[in-house]
Amino acid sequence: GAVVSQHPSWVICKSGTSVKIECRSLDFQATTMFWYRQFPKQSLMLMATSNEGSKATYEQGVEKDKFLINHASLTLSTLTVTSAHPEDSSFYICSASVGQGRDTIYFGEGSWLTVV
Amino acid sequence: AQSVAQPEDQVNVAEGNPLTVKCTYSVSGNPYLFWYVQYPNRGLQFLLKYITGDNLVKGSYGFEAEFNKSQTSFHLKKPSALVSDSALYFCAVRDMDSSYKLIFGSGTRLLVRP
Repeated sequence: GAVVSQHPSWVICKSGTSVKIECRSLDFQATTMFWYRQFPKQSLMLMATSNEGSKATYEQGVEKDKFLINHASLTLSTLTVTSAHPEDSSFYICSASVGQGRDTIYFGEGSWLTVV
Repeated sequence: AQSVAQPEDQVNVAEGNPLTVKCTYSVSGNPYLFWYVQYPNRGLQFLLKYITGDNLVKGSYGFEAEFNKSQTSFHLKKPSALVSDSALYFCAVRDMDSSYKLIFGSGTRLLVRP
């Protein structure tokens, strides 16, 4: 299957600082990327959908000014958690798809964010 | 609105026995259904998908799923479970109405005992 790389796998940051997580599709061009958040022992919560070259579409209740998503190329999307707080600590997972409809969506390995 | 339901939080099975992880769906049009597996502290791995065609879909690691339109179900199955199959399994449907995002079920934890 296609490979989606996510970096970093683990990150610890201080409250009030910003942290960036990268998501790359290694062997295909991803027109659409999705960012999820997962709390322990829970399902995935979609945060936003990003299409290359356009603004991300955020799910209801997700602060777009806090979770900045950029999809500047067909192989890279970034999630920046701005002014992080301890409640932002979570497991963040990105996914990517070649297109829409019938295409499989492939997931990265996830990034653990701990805000201290 | 499209949705999937996984009625079991956990499924326990002995190694070597067949396993079934249940999933039912609700969609307004043709369903595009997926199964993913998640190991601890890892991302999701794609197992299989149903788009059209044969109702029995074969996927990775010996897993298969049966699409049943009349029962709106897409249960995941494996003839002989392995201890290494123990993980969290997610059923999902692709939202074809708007964003093409995946809508996930709540997940089912599979525990295969030796």
